[in-house]
Amino acid sequence: SQTIHQWPATLVQPVGSPLSLECTVEGTSNPNLYWYRQAAGRGLQLLFYSVGIGQISSEVPQNLSASRPQDRQFILSSKKLLLSDSGFYLCAWSWAGASDTQYFGPGTRLTVL
Amino acid sequence: AQKITQTQPGMFVQEKEAVTLDCTYDTSDQSYGLFWYKQPSSGEMIFLIYQGSYDEQNATEGRYSLNFQKARKSANLVISASQLGDSAMYFCAMREVPGGGYNKLIFGAGTRLAVHP
Repeated sequence: SQTIHQWPATLVQPVGSPLSLECTVEGTSNPNLYWYRQAAGRGLQLLFYSVGIGQISSEVPQNLSASRPQDRQFILSSKKLLLSDSGFYLCAWSWAGASDTQYFGPGTRLTVL
Repeated sequence: AQKITQTQPGMFVQEKEAVTLDCTYDTSDQSYGLFWYKQPSSGEMIFLIYQGSYDEQNATEGRYSLNFQKARKSANLVISASQLGDSAMYFCAMREVPGGGYNKLIFGAGTRLAVHP
């Protein structure tokens, strides 16, 4: 079976500090990978998606970037955090292709002070 | 643009009763997919049920069923025999396929369900 991991689970960072959130998937090969952000009390917004190693596409312009150094590893980064980057970050995977269900990880709660 | 509307910010139901969570959608696509996810207080988004636009029968998964009314563009989630563990946020989502081998989920604002003993 497939499992998806995210770490850290929670993070408190000062404004202007760097960020690195990691997501890994087990039990599948060549998955599609996604980063979403959820503001408090809201639905999710897609930030980045990847259909393969080194292939990253951004949905919205922002202070964040993403990388996929390995097939089942997806990293969300920032060089300098803003207050507005606070939120709940969820990674998701789906089978390769355009029509499959997305399965989410446990999420990382980021607070920028 | 595709849009998902969930008009019930909060709902409550007595344990063992059934409850319906509303979802309406807007799309000009002929082929689309609709999903329901559950988000407990831990934060993880748990996939519950899926309905394809060409599926003739309503989807069911255990105690969950999706009341799909295509002409009305509604995809309501029905939870039968509610349990205390069903207390959570519930999100309706639509799959958008922009091209390029991936799909994008458009989420509604969610409905918070409270199950009372």
